[in-house]
Amino acid sequence: GAVVSQHPSWVICKSGTSVKIECRSLDFQATTMFWYRQFPKQSLMLMATSNEGSKATYEQGVEKDKFLINHASLTLSTLTVTSAHPEDSSFYICSAQRQGGSPLHFGNGTRLTVT
Amino acid sequence: DQQVKQNSPSLSVQEGRISILNCDYTNSMFDYFLWYKKYPAEGPTFLISISSIKDKNEDGRFTVFLNKSAKHLSLHIVPSQPGDSAVYFCAASDPTTDSWGKFQFGAGTQVVVTP
Repeated sequence: GAVVSQHPSWVICKSGTSVKIECRSLDFQATTMFWYRQFPKQSLMLMATSNEGSKATYEQGVEKDKFLINHASLTLSTLTVTSAHPEDSSFYICSAQRQGGSPLHFGNGTRLTVT
Repeated sequence: DQQVKQNSPSLSVQEGRISILNCDYTNSMFDYFLWYKKYPAEGPTFLISISSIKDKNEDGRFTVFLNKSAKHLSLHIVPSQPGDSAVYFCAASDPTTDSWGKFQFGAGTQVVVTP
């Protein structure tokens, strides 16, 4: 159990376009979902915390107007990278949590390349 | 400020031997710890957890030890298998904060198990 599906697994887009990444908890309801970004050989960097039905909480330094997060249901959260630029190219990972403090279950990540 | 540190970026171990991964933290309020395993281009997979009420937790070949006074935890894998070759992250959570579902991650340790 505790499967998290993230889609797409990779995407290439042109500079200036927007990209939407979906994160779904397939067999459980996630009260909270988290979005991360990982740079090569570095730790996961938490971008934002998303609770169903409320606005996402962004970490310091993360532009909320650039990285739009929607958590419409207990099983789906989306991250939209708006007006993407080459520096936004990265590996984005989501995680879902049944309740506060319980282990996180991660999606397989999305490799975004902006040309 | 990196509150969770994995000072060994890589570890090479022979198949059948013990792998010992170390993790240090600076926040004395951290009370719940997780270990994750990550293969390239995939999301992390939850391995094992430990809370401060214990100093050891075992699950099959994986054992996590916690030394709160030293702010140190370790993951032991025995016997190591080639399939264990991956990056291992430790993560910590502070349950006294409002967002105690959030975890701070270390930078990871790349484990390579050789035949």
